[in-house]
Amino acid sequence: SQQGEEDPQALSIQEGENATMNCSYKTSINNLQWYRQNSGRGLVHLILIRSNEREKHSGRLRVTLDTSKKSSSLLITASRAADTASYFCATAPPSGYSTLTFGKGTMLLVSP
Amino acid sequence: GAVVSQHPSWVICKSGTSVKIECRSLDFQATTMFWYRQFPKQSLMLMATSNEGSKATYEQGVEKDKFLINHASLTLSTLTVTSAHPEDSSFYICSAAGGPEAFFGQGTRLTVV
Repeated sequence: SQQGEEDPQALSIQEGENATMNCSYKTSINNLQWYRQNSGRGLVHLILIRSNEREKHSGRLRVTLDTSKKSSSLLITASRAADTASYFCATAPPSGYSTLTFGKGTMLLVSP
Repeated sequence: GAVVSQHPSWVICKSGTSVKIECRSLDFQATTMFWYRQFPKQSLMLMATSNEGSKATYEQGVEKDKFLINHASLTLSTLTVTSAHPEDSSFYICSAAGGPEAFFGQGTRLTVV
């Protein structure tokens, strides 16, 4: 069953702007991961944040995690047209953390 | 990172036929493999989890007789869609885990005509 809920469902911005996507979940987690999926393609793992971490950076990506609110955000700074894709959060349970539950995703469109 | 290869990338088949999709871990032993299904513009839905040498565990609502999963070795799992129908058309993605982290295949687009 779906656990993560991303918002917004779709986001359209101009190149150079920042894009923020949010994810909420319902149960305890071991970690939360963000993935990118280009149209009709496989998943690309972006970043993993553990339940005891609050913030993580990777290049132009910044992820935050608030376990008290059961929410996470993904910020893409200085967006590029190549960032156009769907972005999914996925949560791993405390017990078996290779079993991921995916959210519904945010479709990001970055216009040149 | 570890590499998971999924084959074929896309397949078109006639209604009533069966289709087999392979998922291979190329450089690690995958004790657990996962099969997901993704409808257009929707998220991934876990179909089943398979452990090498044992029967797969199917998620609620997934017909195990229709979606046959075999995980006969530590590097290969197969998903066979039996007696395919147009409503089975979807994007199928596998992931493989030898430890805590799972790695995803490139996906298989199945179109049943």
